[in-house]
Amino acid sequence: DTEVTQTPKHLVMGMTNKKSLKCEQHMGHRAMYWYKQKAKKPPELMFVYSYEKLSINESVPSRFSPECPNSSLLNLHLHALQPEDSALYLCASSQVGLQETQYFGPGTRLLVL
Amino acid sequence: EDKVVQSPLSLVVHEGDTVTLNCSYEVTNFRSLLWYKQEKKAPTFLFMLTSSGIEKKSGRLSSILDKKELFSILNITATQTGDSAVYLCAVRDYGQNFVFGPGTRLSVLP
Repeated sequence: DTEVTQTPKHLVMGMTNKKSLKCEQHMGHRAMYWYKQKAKKPPELMFVYSYEKLSINESVPSRFSPECPNSSLLNLHLHALQPEDSALYLCASSQVGLQETQYFGPGTRLLVL
Repeated sequence: EDKVVQSPLSLVVHEGDTVTLNCSYEVTNFRSLLWYKQEKKAPTFLFMLTSSGIEKKSGRLSSILDKKELFSILNITATQTGDSAVYLCAVRDYGQNFVFGPGTRLSVLP
């Protein structure tokens, strides 16, 4: 099973809303990632969790708050977002070590009004 | 700062043509280079390369890495319309950091 699942598939929110994106994998991967992808651009790394600890935070604004409750789950909490935050948010996972192939989830398409 | 460059940025070919996509990089503490295919949604994994000169093949696709010259190529032979996609090159360092190139948008015409 090489599946990473993400919910919801689509999300529309206002600038004052609080919402969460969820990501789940059951491949035993111990590294999980959040990426942001704007149209016709490559994915940009936001956060990396390794063994449930935040290991990389790429200067992301505090209105994005990641959480890794256990080794299978990754959340991204959203609060007071701006319209320019509208994008495809991709979750990925990989082993930590030599077999670091990343598997991506289908993404959540977020629209901030 | 780590950097990944891909060329060409876009390419239009006809079915049956062979294409070569290029990826060059400047990365501190290089660990591996990965190729992905992205159609409408998430990138799907194609190859991971860690050693120079060893070609990886999967059907009509193949890829090779040159760690001395800091580049990789992805070849697709006998292209089909289903190969139309954005091909992304990403480089990983010895942390968990992945840096993606801008992608090559390939269009295969019937």
